[in-house]
Amino acid sequence: QKEVEQNSGPLSVPEGAIASLNCTYSDRGSQSFFWYRQYSGKSPELIMSIYSNGDKEDGRFTAQLNKASQYVSLLIRDSQPSDSATYLCAVIRSGGSNYKLTFGKGTLLTVNP
Amino acid sequence: NAGVTQTPKFQVLKTGQSMTLQCAQDMNHNSMYWYRQDPGMGLRLIYYSASEGTTDKGEVPNGYNVSRLNKREFSLRLESAAPSQTSVYFCASTTGRITKPYEQYFGPGTRLTVT
Repeated sequence: QKEVEQNSGPLSVPEGAIASLNCTYSDRGSQSFFWYRQYSGKSPELIMSIYSNGDKEDGRFTAQLNKASQYVSLLIRDSQPSDSATYLCAVIRSGGSNYKLTFGKGTLLTVNP
Repeated sequence: NAGVTQTPKFQVLKTGQSMTLQCAQDMNHNSMYWYRQDPGMGLRLIYYSASEGTTDKGEVPNGYNVSRLNKREFSLRLESAAPSQTSVYFCASTTGRITKPYEQYFGPGTRLTVT
């Protein structure tokens, strides 16, 4: 079982819609969860961090964490063409020594005008 | 405040040549990391440095060496480049446990081609 799994996509949504990106992780003791956005040819950019169960909102982005289901998601409201990118889920595993992140392979999101 | 910087941005090497990728951060972070990113493979950790004076292997350390020169700088060296090391290399640094716990910030990357 892969440690952090994401649907590779592509996920295609129309402009103005809600994009829903999902991530599951295998280590039940994982502590900290992050979403990165990576534009083609660019480096990953941190957009959300979440540490406890529930929702965390920042502008058009909402991260949702459910540790019982080992599931973390990212919702993007009012999607814009500029949101088209690959979204990476990352996790710090239990006993997460030295803050090492384990990354999923990413979901490619395309927002169509 | 430049964040994480990397040099060079692009490099072409011949098989067997050596080079050092440079990374520096101005955020006073203790921990620094080197990743490579390949199509279909995602981000893979090469080496990391939890604090100044310490380095440890990550998932794919073979063919690489690192030096944590001081708190700001963490370099990655390829002693004898191979075509399999053609990749995009990212350096990153991480906040501590208190403020914005464990958030990791990336440099702009180095695109390396080995022919």
